[in-house]
Amino acid sequence: GEDVEQSLFLSVREGDSSVINCTYTDSSSTYLYWYKQEPGAGLQLLTYIFSNMDMKQDQRLTVLLNKKDKHLSLRIADTQTGDSAIYFCAVLWANSGYALNFGKGTSLLVTP
Amino acid sequence: EAQVTQNPRYLITVTGKKLTVTCSQNMNHEYMSWYRQDPGLGLRQIYYSMNVEVTDKGDVPEGYKVSRKEKRNFPLILESPSPNQTSLYFCASSSLGGGEGGYTFGSGTRLTVV
Repeated sequence: GEDVEQSLFLSVREGDSSVINCTYTDSSSTYLYWYKQEPGAGLQLLTYIFSNMDMKQDQRLTVLLNKKDKHLSLRIADTQTGDSAIYFCAVLWANSGYALNFGKGTSLLVTP
Repeated sequence: EAQVTQNPRYLITVTGKKLTVTCSQNMNHEYMSWYRQDPGLGLRQIYYSMNVEVTDKGDVPEGYKVSRKEKRNFPLILESPSPNQTSLYFCASSSLGGGEGGYTFGSGTRLTVV
């Protein structure tokens, strides 16, 4: 079946860039999303990219999509301590009845 | 404000005592879904609904029921809860096809079954 993989942990220094990576198995993706979950909170949509795009930039966030390698990344520029959270990659596949398939999440820790 | 509202936020119950977690959205979305989140397992879909009276199983439906009698509401029913259903539950809604808005999630319900 469809699968979405992420590394589990990432630690960066405040002010550095963070790059969170995601790979997926099915090539029939339509939309790909990044969600942020802060402790004790729900999931907040950060950004998305449509499958016919290679890159999308939104303020400090840059999303890169390599369809050939089925690889998605989220770059956070000038990472702040408030960016510490769990980040989920989620893929919407055309053949999955609109189900959103999540990776297990990457815990980002930003240290001063 | 566009939102998905879940109730309750926290619930402690005993094994076998039927419970319902409510979910309501005010965005006129066709699609609604329930997920459970467990450490090390990420989010797994329980049930989903593409419209009123149309529901289907997700990846982990055992022990759960849902109904979609109205477009805005999608309650999750545990007829006989067991300790392995202790988890953090999220309701989500979207327009069909996800789109640029993605899925909107509720704040979550933390359920403990003892």
